[in-house]
Amino acid sequence: NAGVTQTPKFQVLKTGQSMTLQCAQDMNHNSMYWYRQDPGMGLRLIYYSASEGTTDKGEVPNGYNVSRLNKREFSLRLESAAPSQTSVYFCASSEAWAGGGYTFGSGTRLTVV
Amino acid sequence: GENVEQHPSTLSVQEGDSAVIKCTYSDSASNYFPWYKQELGKRPQLIIDIRSNVGEKKDQRIAVTLNKTAKHFSLHITETQPEDSAVYFCAAPNSNTGFQKLVFGTGTRLLVSP
Repeated sequence: NAGVTQTPKFQVLKTGQSMTLQCAQDMNHNSMYWYRQDPGMGLRLIYYSASEGTTDKGEVPNGYNVSRLNKREFSLRLESAAPSQTSVYFCASSEAWAGGGYTFGSGTRLTVV
Repeated sequence: GENVEQHPSTLSVQEGDSAVIKCTYSDSASNYFPWYKQELGKRPQLIIDIRSNVGEKKDQRIAVTLNKTAKHFSLHITETQPEDSAVYFCAAPNSNTGFQKLVFGTGTRLLVSP
């Protein structure tokens, strides 16, 4: 069982470039999430998908879009990257509610120059 | 929505000492409180959680206590070891849209010195 798989692990972008972060889970979880982690600020929710076919904004959605492609896959897109989006991005999945506990992917370290 | 505050931001202890990390939350309806451990360069991993119908839960050297009246919960690590060095995050669910998603504290960096 791979759990939650994220790609890529590292990425450097120039300001204004676009990219998509990929996430896939093989645990048959209904819910998926994208968080960003910045020093001293913990993990902040960008977008989430409560179930296949639905997506909703989290705490810090500006500059991002998401797609829940199917039950397994949830992607995060940066249309026009900005230096403020330099961060570590984590995808996570869970049962239908938070009380099932989250399983995190290994993270993507993104630098925007 | 839920607001989670975590203290201290850093904690240094000697091997064998105990460590305590505290979190407060704002939503009295919250009913699930997990703790995650993140080693350097790794993903956060769930180490223990507690639900609102119990006041304390133990798992070997770690324990979590919950005070619903005061809206705070704490992580206790006894007989600390160097491998306990990591960043620890508490969390509580935000269900303002009817769907629970976790709000995390800002983290505590625990350093255990041999």
